[in-house]
Amino acid sequence: DAKTTQPTSMDCAEGRAANLPCNHSTISGNEYVYWYRQIHSQGPQYIIHGLKNNETNEMASLIITEDRKSSTLILPHATLRDTAVYYCIVRVVGSGTYKYIFGTGTRLKVLA
Amino acid sequence: KAGVTQTPRYLIKTRGQQVTLSCSPISGHRSVSWYQQTPGQGLQFLFEYFSETQRNKGNFPGRFSGRQFSNSRSEMNVSTLELGDSALYLCASSLVQASNEQFFGPGTRLTVL
Repeated sequence: DAKTTQPTSMDCAEGRAANLPCNHSTISGNEYVYWYRQIHSQGPQYIIHGLKNNETNEMASLIITEDRKSSTLILPHATLRDTAVYYCIVRVVGSGTYKYIFGTGTRLKVLA
Repeated sequence: KAGVTQTPRYLIKTRGQQVTLSCSPISGHRSVSWYQQTPGQGLQFLFEYFSETQRNKGNFPGRFSGRQFSNSRSEMNVSTLELGDSALYLCASSLVQASNEQFFGPGTRLTVL
């Protein structure tokens, strides 16, 4: 099963871009990369997902390397409200079922 | 539109007891997934239900079970509780099975004494 590894924690200055890396070196060709975040005391919130092309939405951008072994979530202008734990997830397909394997998460702290 | 609701929000049980947790998905959502979150193991997938049938299952013992009703509401049951079952149990709903975006509820905090 593909698994992800992420740095345990990161700091980012308010207003600057936050770049959160994720390694998924064993990812298979048909597996997607998802990002969720969890703000303290709340359930996780979907951010973005992608297969191999870079993706952008109103919240963030997702950059996936050409070999798909790693990706980076970019929050272009981090605010204090972006302080959360960010999870990089690979969706695994096996035996006709779908499993969701969460990484350890990166605790992002946005500093004023 | 109301979000995913979970009841109860907090629960205290003792070892050996059983517990039932409830999840009401967003209106119109037909898929419900359950997750366990602990400080040591992080977020782990338990199972997913769609159209009243369990479609996917994580690596948890048979003490963990669930069901889904015709209105898409779901319940999760844990029998013979162990101390290690203390966790935040999260429910997530999505429009269809294995959708790209899941909407999570606030969770039920279970403490086993």
